[in-house]
Amino acid sequence: AQSVTQPDIHITVSEGASLELRCNYSYGATPYLFWYVQSPGQGLQLLLKYFSGDTLVQGIKGFEAEFKRSQSSFNLRKPSVHWSDAAEYFCAVGARVRSYGGSQGNLIFGKGTKLSVKP
Amino acid sequence: NAGVMQNPRHLVRRRGQEARLRCSPMKGHSHVYWYRQLPEEGLKFMVYLQKENIIDESGMPKERFSAEFPKEGPSILRIQQVVRGDSAAYFCASSSGMNTEAFFGQGTRLTVV
Repeated sequence: AQSVTQPDIHITVSEGASLELRCNYSYGATPYLFWYVQSPGQGLQLLLKYFSGDTLVQGIKGFEAEFKRSQSSFNLRKPSVHWSDAAEYFCAVGARVRSYGGSQGNLIFGKGTKLSVKP
Repeated sequence: NAGVMQNPRHLVRRRGQEARLRCSPMKGHSHVYWYRQLPEEGLKFMVYLQKENIIDESGMPKERFSAEFPKEGPSILRIQQVVRGDSAAYFCASSSGMNTEAFFGQGTRLTVV
């Protein structure tokens, strides 16, 4: 079965410190992988995505993620966190659907990691 | 170019009433997706529609829930005879094609009292 696991429910880091949010997936083939950010009361904004090619993906707001097939992981990183990065972060995989293959809008999400930033 | 617009942003319904959630996709987008987010949970896919067609409704509950995306006008997610367990945030996303990026709206927060 296709699934996404985000092991950390809540992470607190100091402003200026580095950040790594973990994501593991279960998928039968090469997955399409996504990271989204959700601020309180808001919708989701796409940070970055991986389809193929270079396994280190650069996104918006200084975020990057690395696809590691051997570990079934797609961890999100940022070298220096800003207070405005406090939000909830969701990892997702594109669902594989037998009838039409799947789409970038049909995603399986993890439960999210809430990031708090200390001054 | 306005983003994906959802209304209302907040909706309160009594048990047994109907809830209608609207989603206007981004201009030029003809693909719409609906998701439900329960408290402390990630988003769960419900249904994928293209103008006048349901492409994938594998995530829709079998009863009381329906969705449409008519030729003209917004996509509607309809929940009949709401129950407390329907309280959640409902998000809509739209895209210009099956394999293009989907953009999310700000959601409708439904509270059933």
